[in-house]
Parts: sequence; structure tokens; C-alpha cells
Amino acid sequence: SQTIHQWPATLVQPVGSPLSLECTVEGTSNPNLYWYRQAAGRGLQLLFYSVGIGQISSEVPQNLSASRPQDRQFILSSKKLLLSDSGFYLCAWSPHGREQYFGPGTRLTVT
Amino acid sequence: GENVEQHPSTLSVQEGDSAVIKCTYSDSASNYFPWYKQELGKGPQLIIDIRSNVGEKKDQRIAVTLNKTAKHFSLHITETQPEDSAVYFCAAWGVSGGSNYKLTFGKGTLLTVNP
Repeated sequence: SQTIHQWPATLVQPVGSPLSLECTVEGTSNPNLYWYRQAAGRGLQLLFYSVGIGQISSEVPQNLSASRPQDRQFILSSKKLLLSDSGFYLCAWSPHGREQYFGPGTRLTVT
Repeated sequence: GENVEQHPSTLSVQEGDSAVIKCTYSDSASNYFPWYKQELGKGPQLIIDIRSNVGEKKDQRIAVTLNKTAKHFSLHITETQPEDSAVYFCAAWGVSGGSNYKLTFGKGTLLTVNP
């Protein structure tokens, strides 16, 4: 069966510091991978998605970037965090795009 | 692009009662509609989904109905239990910005089941 991992689970970072969140998937190959952000209002906002190694599509211009260095690894990064980057970051995988399965999430607080 | 509206934003029911959450979508080309359950501090969990060629789907106490003409779909939970308390999200799979497809989510419904 497939398993998706995210780390860290929680993170407190000062404004202006860098960020690196990692997501890995087990038990499947060549998955579609997604990064979402969930703000306090509960809505899910798609940030990035990837259909293959090195292929990244951005949905929203912002302070963040994503990379996919390996087939089942997806990384969300920032060079300098803003207060507005605080939120719950969710990684998801899909065999072909529609059915998406979410990881446990990373709670990021920027102070 | 696709727009998904979800109602109500909060719903409180007594244990054993039924709960219904409704969503509307704007893009008639959308063809896949999942529902997710999110418990506090956890990632959303896919609980049921329906494709556009089906009008209704059931899985034990939960069911989803789809009305393509009216462009709305609903989640029905029967015999609710306290462990059903969570935030529920609907979503629609459709075109976003040109030829790219993505899931567009509703804003969620906080369901509270009172013992």
C-alpha cells in the first residue's frame, strides 16, 4: 500500500529565515505530487504540482518554490519567509491527478 | 476557472441524526467530485467520490449524489456518530487556466455530532 510522509510536523521560524519542507511517497512510482496550503479559514489552496522529476508547475506566484529531485520526493522551499507564509502545508499524491491522497501536514508558524 | 461553493459552513446534529452537506460547481466540464474528511491537526482523508457518469454512490453510512444539470452534489451521512465530527471538504476536478486540470475545493463544513 502507498504511504505519504511529511516532515517536520511542526516548525516555528523567524521572518526572513529560509524554509525547506519535505514530502516522500512510498509504494508507488511516478506519482503526481502536490503542495497545498491551508490557512486559518480552512480552504485548501494549490501551490505547486509535479507530474515527473524536475517538472514543476506553479499555481500562485509567491515567496515559495518547489522541487522534485527524485520520483517520490517533493520539496517546498523559501529563501526568506514572510509572516503571511504561516499556515498548514499539505503534500498530496495521485496516481493520475484526480484521486488525491494527503499527507499528515506541516504546521508552519512564522514569527 | 472552476468555482466551488459549499454550504453550510457549520452544521450541528444530534447523534443518530442525518447530516447533509451541499456543494455547487460552475464548470459543466468538471467530471470528478471527491469528498474529504479532515480531523483536527491532520491531513484530509478521501472518504468517497463520484464521477460524472454516476448519479449516486453509497458506502455504508455515507452517500454522495450528483445532479449534473443543476451542477450540484451532496454528501449524506446517516446515523451520525461522535467520531463523524470533523471538517468536510467537497472538490471538483476541472480545467484551471487553459488546459490544466486541478481539484478546486470548497471552503469546508465543520460538522459537530453531539452525543
